[in-house]
Amino acid sequence: DGGITQSPKYLFRKEGQNVTLSCEQNLNHDAMYWYRQDPGQGLRLIYYSQIVNDFQKGDIAEGYSVSREKKESFPLTVTSAQKNPTAFYLCASSNGPSGRRYEQYFGPGTRLTVT
Amino acid sequence: GENVEQHPSTLSVQEGDSAVIKCTYSDSASNYFPWYKQELGKGPQLIIDIRSNVGEKKDQRIAVTLNKTAKHFSLHITETQPEDSAVYFCAASSNDYKLSFGAGTTVTVRA
Repeated sequence: DGGITQSPKYLFRKEGQNVTLSCEQNLNHDAMYWYRQDPGQGLRLIYYSQIVNDFQKGDIAEGYSVSREKKESFPLTVTSAQKNPTAFYLCASSNGPSGRRYEQYFGPGTRLTVT
Repeated sequence: GENVEQHPSTLSVQEGDSAVIKCTYSDSASNYFPWYKQELGKGPQLIIDIRSNVGEKKDQRIAVTLNKTAKHFSLHITETQPEDSAVYFCAASSNDYKLSFGAGTTVTVRA
């Protein structure tokens, strides 16, 4: 059953703590993405990676970090430097073997609450 | 960068009627326009997309139209059903990787 998995579905942290969100895909996609979604707003791009061992900042990268050591995995760390970390975080992937680079497919999301 | 505006923010329609959502974009270089449907607590699902060399695309009850001159594109849902109730997002891209999203439209289909 191919797809994108994100874990956990809900995550609670205390202010000042770093937290890492997991994203795994078995679609053989080259590119992976992290978005943040806040109520009443569209999705905003945090980081993206076109290929293993390479990633670029998106529009709101401050306070976040990523790694891409494996094709299947693209974890996101929300650091204590992120001013408003409470949000719904979505991972996506694209650019499968068919070369359809534009089509992004999303995971189920992780809702992070920081108090 | 690209700026995508989406209207309306909420839309209530009677079951069986049509729903139309409109988006405008600012970057004339944008050439890919997907639409996503998001149900409560879930990730967005790609429902239809259109590229700049096509003016209209249809898939069963949903269709998308693109006017490159005016820089706007629209989603049309015909014969709406209760399961069409969700949040719909438009997006635009001028390269292979970065999508800019609209703020979303909450569609409610009344039985």
